[in-house]
Amino acid sequence: GQSLEQPSEVTAVEGAIVQINCTYQTSGFYGLSWYQQHDGGAPTFLSYNALDGLEETGRFSSFLSRSDSYGYLLLQELQMKDSASYFCAVREGGSARQLTFGSGTQLTVLP
Amino acid sequence: DGGITQSPKYLFRKEGQNVTLSCEQNLNHDAMYWYRQDPGQGLRLIYYSQIVNDFQKGDIAEGYSVSREKKESFPLTVTSAQKNPTAFYLCASSISGSKTTDTQYFGPGTRLTVL
Repeated sequence: GQSLEQPSEVTAVEGAIVQINCTYQTSGFYGLSWYQQHDGGAPTFLSYNALDGLEETGRFSSFLSRSDSYGYLLLQELQMKDSASYFCAVREGGSARQLTFGSGTQLTVLP
Repeated sequence: DGGITQSPKYLFRKEGQNVTLSCEQNLNHDAMYWYRQDPGQGLRLIYYSQIVNDFQKGDIAEGYSVSREKKESFPLTVTSAQKNPTAFYLCASSISGSKTTDTQYFGPGTRLTVL
């Protein structure tokens, strides 16, 4: 079977940097995605890593190490609006069904 | 504007009743998905469709049914056979279902409460 582990909660202050880790165990692996979901809202896509290394998109960066089955999302210069849940999701194959989501990390940004 | 719409935003039903959740997209995407989200949980796949007139069961399909008669529409029926239907239901779409780089775009969700 497949499983993804990420911390349930993270708290940080405005302007800080926070890292949300995700470890996975899957039968196949094509890539790791990150989604953001504000309370009661729709998840929105943040990033996708298929290869090892760091992908940077503005204040957000995502890292993948395939050999360690590990990735993280790095949020810099935290703002209050970054308070949300963050989900990692593993793409296990080419068919539509093979996207498995983690349970999510609730990030709270304090003033 | 292109996007995915779900209606209604909040839905209440009595036990034993079937209810249908609407999902429409005008992104010209081939693939569409239904997920269920429970408090503090991740998204679990109910059904997905990669093309019109075809759909496949996800991980938790029991008690649910879908149809895909049009590319734009993928309604989900929660039947009385679903033991614990109270949840947040999210519809999503992607350009295709076959590319590993496909991004899924989500609708605003329907919060179903069974009274």
